[in-house]
Amino acid sequence: AQSVTQLDSHVSVSEGTPVLLRCNYSSSYSPSLFWYVQHPNKGLQLLLKYTSAATLVKGINGFEAEFKKSETSFHLTKPSAHMSDAAEYFCVVYTGANNLFFGTGTRLTVIP
Amino acid sequence: DAGVTQSPTHLIKTRGQQVTLRCSPISGHKSVSWYQQVLGQGPQFIFQYYEKEERGRGNFPDRFSARQFPNYSSELNVNALLLGDSALYLCASSLAGTGGRTDTQYFGPGTRLTVL
Repeated sequence: AQSVTQLDSHVSVSEGTPVLLRCNYSSSYSPSLFWYVQHPNKGLQLLLKYTSAATLVKGINGFEAEFKKSETSFHLTKPSAHMSDAAEYFCVVYTGANNLFFGTGTRLTVIP
Repeated sequence: DAGVTQSPTHLIKTRGQQVTLRCSPISGHKSVSWYQQVLGQGPQFIFQYYEKEERGRGNFPDRFSARQFPNYSSELNVNALLLGDSALYLCASSLAGTGGRTDTQYFGPGTRLTVL
């Protein structure tokens, strides 16, 4: 079965410093992986997706993620955090059963 | 273009009651999926519908049901509400509904259900 594990429930960074949100996946075949962001009282927004093309995936708002099969990881990064990046981030895997499996989420706090 | 819309925004019910939540997909999208997000957790898959047929079901009791209409909008019904049903209910639409690897799901803002 396909699943993801988000390694940090809460990450705190200073504005202007790099962001790293960690995600490991478990899959019996090449997975489709996604990162979604959820701002307070708003719906989920797709940041980026990996579907077995390039291993380095660029998304919106300066985020990117690298698919590493050897490490079964799909970590989300951004070179410089902005206050508007404060939100809940979800690593997601397509399960092949017409649904998405969400990780437990990482809350990103950006300190001014 | 309008995104996925859901109604109502908030809802308060008491135990044992029934509730109906509504979702309108992005124009042109034929698939609708429903997710439950309990506070502090990630969303959990409940149902997927495509062309008015159920294509997937998560691990939820039979008190949960859904349907899709000819215009591709959808309703989620929950009977005999329990306190544990309190959650944010999210609707997502996608173009193809095949569940394919590149069929991106776009989410609505959700309906916040509180069961007292």
